Amino acid sequence: DQQVKQNSPSLSVQEGRISILNCDYTNSMFDYFLWYKKYPAEGPTFLISISSIKDKNEDGRFTVFLNKSAKHLSLHIVPSQPGDSAVYFCAANFGNEKLTFGTGTRLTIIP
Amino acid sequence: NAGVTQTPKFRVLKTGQSMTLLCAQDMNHEYMYWYRQDPGMGLRLIHYSVGEGTTAKGEVPDGYNVSRLKKQNFLLGLESAAPSQTSVYFCASSYPGQPQHFGDGTRLSIL
Repeated sequence: DQQVKQNSPSLSVQEGRISILNCDYTNSMFDYFLWYKKYPAEGPTFLISISSIKDKNEDGRFTVFLNKSAKHLSLHIVPSQPGDSAVYFCAANFGNEKLTFGTGTRLTIIP
Repeated sequence: NAGVTQTPKFRVLKTGQSMTLLCAQDMNHEYMYWYRQDPGMGLRLIHYSVGEGTTAKGEVPDGYNVSRLKKQNFLLGLESAAPSQTSVYFCASSYPGQPQHFGDGTRLSIL
């Protein structure tokens, strides 16, 4: 059973526009959520996180929104840049040391 | 500062052979993890460790063993490799409650 789901395997966005990546989860015990970015032949790198006590966290061009009632989080990137082309994974945990990852969304920024 | 280093980067094995993947971190992190990434399945946790001398099973531990004899090293062993273990393996480390830092992966093919 996939507890963290990223239903869009891929997304293409024009440079300069907003990229919105979505993630849904089923386990209501999750209390901490993260986004990782992965380039080919490299390991994932941490991008941004949010605690369940918040509904928004912002870091420069990146904003994560959390809707607990809908069990949904999203990552907004604005403006999108060519270097943002990568695979994005959302992940979640509930107060322990283990993360549960989604299957990833490949974002392509079109110049 | 190397971060998380995985050795080797690539390896081809024959079915039934054994091998050990090495992960080394220089950030004095308590926690270390081994994941595998397969197409369409995201990252799945194999085993993890919350401190020197401790290990625990993750989501997909069968066919693998691990050891954490030194705080900075986490070894993943395959005793009798099977084609189903063809994958990209990632090691990660973290402080408790902090985002995980990943290595660049080991691409393993079992023929």
